[in-house]
Amino acid sequence: EPEVTQTPSHQVTQMGQEVILRCVPISNHLYFYWYRQILGQKVEFLVSFYNNEISEKSEIFDDQFSVERPDGSNFTLKIRSTKLEDSAMYFCASSPTSGGADEQFFGPGTRLTVL
Amino acid sequence: AQSVTQLGSHVSVSEGALVLLRCNYSSSVPPYLFWYVQYPNQGLQLLLKYTTGATLVKGINGFEAEFKKSETSFHLTKPSAHMSDAAEYFCAVRYTGGFKTIFGAGTRLFVKA
Repeated sequence: EPEVTQTPSHQVTQMGQEVILRCVPISNHLYFYWYRQILGQKVEFLVSFYNNEISEKSEIFDDQFSVERPDGSNFTLKIRSTKLEDSAMYFCASSPTSGGADEQFFGPGTRLTVL
Repeated sequence: AQSVTQLGSHVSVSEGALVLLRCNYSSSVPPYLFWYVQYPNQGLQLLLKYTTGATLVKGINGFEAEFKKSETSFHLTKPSAHMSDAAEYFCAVRYTGGFKTIFGAGTRLFVKA
């Protein structure tokens, strides 16, 4: 069964450093998403991406964040200058359409720890 | 604002007992409704979803949920808990025309032997 994969599973970085989190969505899906989950809190939407453009973003997704689909398979989230409060589990997701009835398929997550 | 409320951050049941995890949404427009499960150190796995049609939906691992529009609820149940059901459960909604999934805060289910 096809699945969303994410690398690395755990990333440790120093405050102020740039990090890139990588995701490989399901191959025939067209919509891609990033969510984050701060420890003990709810899963929060960051951004959705379609046709090489951001289609929706939350207020969390400020200028420190960017997303890219550099090739036909990868989808990345970059945090330019990490802060302590960026420490969280980051989930990538994909879906075949944007329709609300379609579920989003989630990857296993990357745990980001900012020291 | 659209939101999802899960009553009870922790629920503890005995093995073989009924599992009931509560979820309410707040919006005037009925959303599409989902339940996800998260096992330790794993991602989110879809348990079941309601889109249209029959309001009682069955999912994987013996779980089911009933959409009640009048109560704006989508509670998750399982007749008999198993030790392997211990996990975090998230209720979530999506709306037509929107891209994001909105999650509740989650309910951690503990199953006692």
